[in-house]
Amino acid sequence: GQQVMQIPQYQHVQEGEDFTTYCNSSTTLSNIQWYKQRPGGHPVFLIQLVKSGEVKKQKRLTFQFGEAKKNSSLHITATQTTDVGTYFCASRAQAAGNKLTFGGGTRVLVKP
Amino acid sequence: NAGVTQTPKFQVLKTGQSMTLQCAQDMNHEYMSWYRQDPGMGLRLIHYSVGAGITDQGEVPNGYNVSRSTTEDFPLRLLSAAPSQTSVYFCASSYSSPTYNEQFFGPGTRLTVL
Repeated sequence: GQQVMQIPQYQHVQEGEDFTTYCNSSTTLSNIQWYKQRPGGHPVFLIQLVKSGEVKKQKRLTFQFGEAKKNSSLHITATQTTDVGTYFCASRAQAAGNKLTFGGGTRVLVKP
Repeated sequence: NAGVTQTPKFQVLKTGQSMTLQCAQDMNHEYMSWYRQDPGMGLRLIHYSVGAGITDQGEVPNGYNVSRSTTEDFPLRLLSAAPSQTSVYFCASSYSSPTYNEQFFGPGTRLTVL
């Protein structure tokens, strides 16, 4: 079945530094969504990317969708303690209809 | 709008017991789904529904049943609880539109099976 792999699994970041998390699929994706889950909370939608090569920004967060629609990345600049949490990508493969599946997530810890 | 609500928030079961986790949404979303999240892990899809009367299996459906008799409600039934089902369960809903399908999650149910 469809598998979406996220790397790295864990990310320890010094406050103020940048980091990137990646989401990779072996199949072509219809679109990709990113979610953030704070410790003890539930996932909250951040953004959706639909078009090949699409780039979207939300303040310090930059999201990219690959040209082949098989990978995506989330880049955070000048990390803050409020960025702590787990970031998930989620996708629907073009051949999988409505079923939305999640990657394993990148757990981000920020060192002040 | 209340969004997506889940009950109970916490539950402890003994092995072999059955129970139903409730999920309701008031946003008229067509798509609803159940996920389980084990400690330090991602979200695994259990079952999903694209509308009333229509359900389908996700990645880990064994041991769980669902039904969708109304647009609003999507209960998850554990038939005979096992310790391996100890987890946090999230219900989510969204529109089915391919361009507008942000998932809204409920607060979760923390289930422990002894």
